[in-house]
Amino acid sequence: SQQGEEDPQALSIQEGENATMNCSYKTSINNLQWYRQNSGRGLVHLILIRSNEREKHSGRLRVTLDTSKKSSSLLITASRAADTASYFCASSGNTPLVFGKGTRLSVIA
Amino acid sequence: DAGVIQSPRHEVTEMGQEVTLRCKPISGHDYLFWYRQTMMRGLELLIYFNNNVPIDDSGMPEDRFSAKMPNASFSTLKIQPSEPRDSAVYFCASSPREGQGWGYTFGSGTRLTVV
Repeated sequence: SQQGEEDPQALSIQEGENATMNCSYKTSINNLQWYRQNSGRGLVHLILIRSNEREKHSGRLRVTLDTSKKSSSLLITASRAADTASYFCASSGNTPLVFGKGTRLSVIA
Repeated sequence: DAGVIQSPRHEVTEMGQEVTLRCKPISGHDYLFWYRQTMMRGLELLIYFNNNVPIDDSGMPEDRFSAKMPNASFSTLKIQPSEPRDSAVYFCASSPREGQGWGYTFGSGTRLTVV
């Protein structure tokens, strides 16, 4: 199975702090994607990093990818209460996206 | 575009009843996916379609589950008969391409409770 694993399972931080979530996957990939899910809602695509890229930025988001270690990290800088959600990584090979179980982020105002 | 539209948002049914979940993908998206989300198993891919044709249904748990896509703007996921262990949130997602770096757009999901 390609299923990834996010680490930690849950993270609680103060508003303004940075949040780092990690993801590991098992097989070769074409790209890796990160999604956010607010409680009771569907997943929202945040950012995609291709297998030949090492780092990518989008606003307050920074994603890194290490294909030799089959791992990725998502950094959210200057977190806000509105960032409270579950965050999932999803790996894409030649099959549909395989999702990890997510990191539950709580940002306390 | 209104995004991926799923109905109903919530469904409560009795064990043994037939349940039909509906999905309207984003116009122009060639791929449609059905996922199921539970606390224990996370997000699981059930089946996906390309240009209305089922490509891989190996994730469908049992013969009680079936999915159709009669045209590019509509798909259904049917459970007959339903069982309590089918209780979960079912998501439909669509994508313009697969394997070429496109993200998925998810619907808001259908929360199914089988009692």
